[in-house]
Amino acid sequence: AQSVSQHNHHVILSEAASLELGCNYSYGGTVNLFWYVQYPGQHLQLLLKYFSGDPLVKGIKGFEAEFIKSKFSFNLRKPSVQWSDTAEYFCAVGQTGANNLFFGTGTRLTVIP
Amino acid sequence: DAGVIQSPRHEVTEMGQEVTLRCKPISGHNSLFWYRQTMMRGLELLIYFNNNVPIDDSGMPEDRFSAKMPNASFSTLKIQPSEPRDSAVYFCASSLGGAAYGYTFGSGTRLTVV
Repeated sequence: AQSVSQHNHHVILSEAASLELGCNYSYGGTVNLFWYVQYPGQHLQLLLKYFSGDPLVKGIKGFEAEFIKSKFSFNLRKPSVQWSDTAEYFCAVGQTGANNLFFGTGTRLTVIP
Repeated sequence: DAGVIQSPRHEVTEMGQEVTLRCKPISGHNSLFWYRQTMMRGLELLIYFNNNVPIDDSGMPEDRFSAKMPNASFSTLKIQPSEPRDSAVYFCASSLGGAAYGYTFGSGTRLTVV
């Protein structure tokens, strides 16, 4: 069965610190990869996505993610976080051609001013 | 486009009552998903529809839960009878072309069963 692992449950950073959130998945076929962000009290919003091509994907608000196929990973990064990045971040994986996505359990990011 | 619209935003009900949550997907999207989010269990897929047909309802917790999609622009999730452990935020999401293109989520319905 497919699974998505986000090993960091809660990350606390000071403003301007660099961020990297881990995401690993277990599926050997062709996948589509996503990061969603959920700000406090709000719904999930798409941050960035990878379908094919350049494994380094740039998203909104300065976020980027790198797909490393050999490691089954799609880690999210941001060079300098802001207080407004405080949110929960979800990694999701979809099998190409399938209808549904598999979500990780989420990583809560708290940025201290 | 108004996005995925869910109603109500908040629902407080007594144990044993019937609860109906509503969702209007983005026009033209052919897949619709119902998720439940709790602190303990995170984001759980309950059921999803493709072209109004239920494809996978294995995530529906028990017979008290049912979902319908009578047409391409409307879906309901019903809980009857409701129990306190059903308290959660219920999200609806829609997509065009399946998972490959990602989902657009609605704002969710926060359900509290007392």
